[in-house]
Amino acid sequence: GAGVSQSPSNKVTEKGKDVELRCDPISGHTALYWYRQSLGQGLEFLIYFQGNSAPDKSGLPSDRFSAERTGGSVSTLTIQRTQQEDSAVYLCASSLWSREPQHFGDGTRLSIL
Amino acid sequence: AQKVTQAQTEISVVEKEDVTLDCVYETRDTTYYLFWYKQPPSGELVFLIRRNSFDEQNEISGRYSWNFQKSTSSFNFTITASQVVDSAVYFCALSEESNTGKLIFGQGTTLQVKP
Repeated sequence: GAGVSQSPSNKVTEKGKDVELRCDPISGHTALYWYRQSLGQGLEFLIYFQGNSAPDKSGLPSDRFSAERTGGSVSTLTIQRTQQEDSAVYLCASSLWSREPQHFGDGTRLSIL
Repeated sequence: AQKVTQAQTEISVVEKEDVTLDCVYETRDTTYYLFWYKQPPSGELVFLIRRNSFDEQNEISGRYSWNFQKSTSSFNFTITASQVVDSAVYFCALSEESNTGKLIFGQGTTLQVKP
């Protein structure tokens, strides 16, 4: 079946612009996670959604970052007023339930000029 | 506090050698889960294995084996008879029962297998 799908694959934007990254999880997976992978910080958790529960936003680095998950399926990660330190690969993962193995998408490589 | 340490940044071996990737973790939870993921040059993280804290049985899957020892808080990964296709970055990760299932990753070990 289809895996986790992320778009766009690559995004180049100017500092100060807003960006939206999209994640389409595996069908039937109730848990969805966003992570960020950068050279200096490794792989970091950003946010978690599980069904209709309140999301765990404890990993979001600043209030410029937000995410939503509509209808328990597709998720969008939004970064406002981008900064150069936001340059990274943003990874989305989904799992049947929390604590089950997570399956990752190919990521969105974000470059801030 | 939860933490995962992969002390080996890079390992280089010649094909057919055995190689062990080390992983040490810290957690206060009594129930937790440990994972290994592979990230080949193409970039996608591929799930390899999950163990829960109550199951210390070692696991073997083909050329891959995992050694989980709670006494030393370690979850090491061995590749037997390595192949060039095993070249990748390998991540060890921890998930705590008291948490939301989010993964705490180690810094990763880059494995290069030379022909």
